[in-house]
Amino acid sequence: NAGVTQTPKFRILKIGQSMTLQCTQDMNHNYMYWYRQDPGMGLKLIYYSVGAGITDKGEVPNGYNVSRSTTEDFPLRLELAAPSQTSVYFCASSYGAGLAGQETQYFGPGTRLLVL
Amino acid sequence: QQPVQSPQAVILREGEDAVINCSSSKALYSVHWYRQKHGEAPVFLMILLKGGEQKGHEKISASFNEKKQQSSLYLTASQLSYSGTYFCGTEYSGAGSYQLTFGKGTKLSVIP
Repeated sequence: NAGVTQTPKFRILKIGQSMTLQCTQDMNHNYMYWYRQDPGMGLKLIYYSVGAGITDKGEVPNGYNVSRSTTEDFPLRLELAAPSQTSVYFCASSYGAGLAGQETQYFGPGTRLLVL
Repeated sequence: QQPVQSPQAVILREGEDAVINCSSSKALYSVHWYRQKHGEAPVFLMILLKGGEQKGHEKISASFNEKKQQSSLYLTASQLSYSGTYFCGTEYSGAGSYQLTFGKGTKLSVIP
């Protein structure tokens, strides 16, 4: 199993450009999450999904969009990139929630995004 | 509401013990602990569900005090490999949204 994979690893964007951060998991997990982590800070939830076709906003969704057409993939779309979106983005997945032992979130390696 | 972690940073010599606390002002359903090494993704350590249970993982254990809405992570006989930033993620009772809210982290440095 590859676990959770993310592409690209690093990207530089100009203000106003758009891009899609890719996330794929091969563990047949129902739940997937996108977080951003700013330097010296904790993780903030952007969007999450509890299954294919179902997504919901997290704590900081403005400026982002997501889709979940398959169980495996959960891409994050940035429209009109802004310097405030400079961050490290982590995708994570878990089998379930509310069930002991199934809530563990497995994180991908992250995408470092710099908006200039 | 973001849980509060304390201390913000701690330096230990190998073999020393440490306690990291995670406090919430809201009723907790569960607390998740993760460790993140510099430039890497967070790695899961353990989950504690409400009920005050204590869990162990090698020389790292944790407790959940439902009365205080606080979880504590105990690291005993620390090793160099324990260095990193420890985050607690909290899931609130009644939220029903499967979201984790993470604290700002506690940076642990273990020196020889």
